[in-house]
Amino acid sequence: GIQVEQSPPDLILQEGANSTLRCNFSDSVNNLQWFHQNPWGQLINLFYIPSGTKQNGRLSATTVATERYSLLYISSSQTTDSGVYFCAVEETSGSRLTFGEGTQLTVNP
Amino acid sequence: NAGVTQTPKFRVLKTGQSMTLLCAQDMNHEYMYWYRQDPGMGLRLIHYSVGEGTTAKGEVPDGYNVSRLKKQNFLLGLESAAPSQTSVYFCASGTFHRFFGSGTRLTVV
Repeated sequence: GIQVEQSPPDLILQEGANSTLRCNFSDSVNNLQWFHQNPWGQLINLFYIPSGTKQNGRLSATTVATERYSLLYISSSQTTDSGVYFCAVEETSGSRLTFGEGTQLTVNP
Repeated sequence: NAGVTQTPKFRVLKTGQSMTLLCAQDMNHEYMYWYRQDPGMGLRLIHYSVGEGTTAKGEVPDGYNVSRLKKQNFLLGLESAAPSQTSVYFCASGTFHRFFGSGTRLTVV
């Protein structure tokens, strides 16, 4: 099956800093999503982005499907951004969303 | 509009007991999914359904059964619980955008 690798596994920031999270995947995809799991365990869908660039407030994401990677940018980070960020992809041939192991982000005040 | 609702939120079972987790969605989605999340890991797909009356195996289906008798409901059953099934279970619905429930924390002792 498709492999999904996220980096870095852990990231600690001071409030106000910017960060870039990366997701590499091993095969062609027709679906790529970024999720934020907050400290209470809730999974929030941030972006549906199989290709191209999208922005939502301080967050933006870019997927370069031909090179099989996606980037999530967080600008002016806040303590509420803390949690785990997951990238999940779905192969062109399938209907299953495969998750990476996540990036644990901690934003300190 | 409640989105995806999971019940119960917490449960403790003894080894060998059975139980059913209920997932309900009010977004008229055809696709529904059950995932499990273990500490420090991403989500792994247990079973999924592409429509009422259909089910299919995911990545880790052993020890679980599912049913989709109504479009809005997707049930996950454990016939004989084992300690290895201690996990947090998430239900999701949606074809491209996935919407997740708040999770069920299950402990098998």
